[in-house]
Amino acid sequence: GAGVSQTPSNKVTEKGKYVELRCDPISGHTALYWYRQSLGQGPEFLIYFQGTGAADDSGLPNDRFFAVRPEGSVSTLKIQRTERGDSAMYLCASSLGGGAHTDTQYFGPGTRLTVL
Amino acid sequence: LAKTTQPISMDSYEGQEVNITCSHNNIATNDYITWYQQFPSQGPRFIIQGYKTKVTNEVASLFIPADRKSSTLSLPRVSLSDTAVYYCLVGPGNSGGYQKVTFGTGTKLQVIP
Repeated sequence: GAGVSQTPSNKVTEKGKYVELRCDPISGHTALYWYRQSLGQGPEFLIYFQGTGAADDSGLPNDRFFAVRPEGSVSTLKIQRTERGDSAMYLCASSLGGGAHTDTQYFGPGTRLTVL
Repeated sequence: LAKTTQPISMDSYEGQEVNITCSHNNIATNDYITWYQQFPSQGPRFIIQGYKTKVTNEVASLFIPADRKSSTLSLPRVSLSDTAVYYCLVGPGNSGGYQKVTFGTGTKLQVIP
């Protein structure tokens, strides 16, 4: 079946602009995660959705970052007033949810964001 | 969340068995150990998960000693396509309905022809 997809694959923007990154999870997966990965580092947790609600947004670096998942499927990560330090790979993952310890996260290919 | 420590990098020749050890001294009772593989410009891919003793699947084996303070990912007969970064994660099972995992810097495995 189809895996997690993310669009766009690459996004180049100018400092101060607004960007939206989209994630399509695996069908039927109720849990959705966003991560940010800088070069040479492991993915850094940003936010977790269970269904439509953001159950844990403790990883969002500041109020310029916001994410939604209005219908419990597709999610959009929104970044306002982008800064050069926001340049990174943004990864989305989904899982079945439900609290099972074997709830494996399946990652998408990521969106590489470059802020000039 | 339990912190993990792994070697930054490893080299291996094709056809050899590779063992990558991860230390997680403060692992909690309900924590599971999960390993992911990541190729450049791709998202991480689940390899294997375990709680104790030994787990084996078609890709790898995971060895966990009785004290669970470390774990070893074993890749049999590596090929050039196994060149990637390998992450060891320790995260709570059944905690609030999800696993908030923390990735470290991982181990960069370079397979040499």
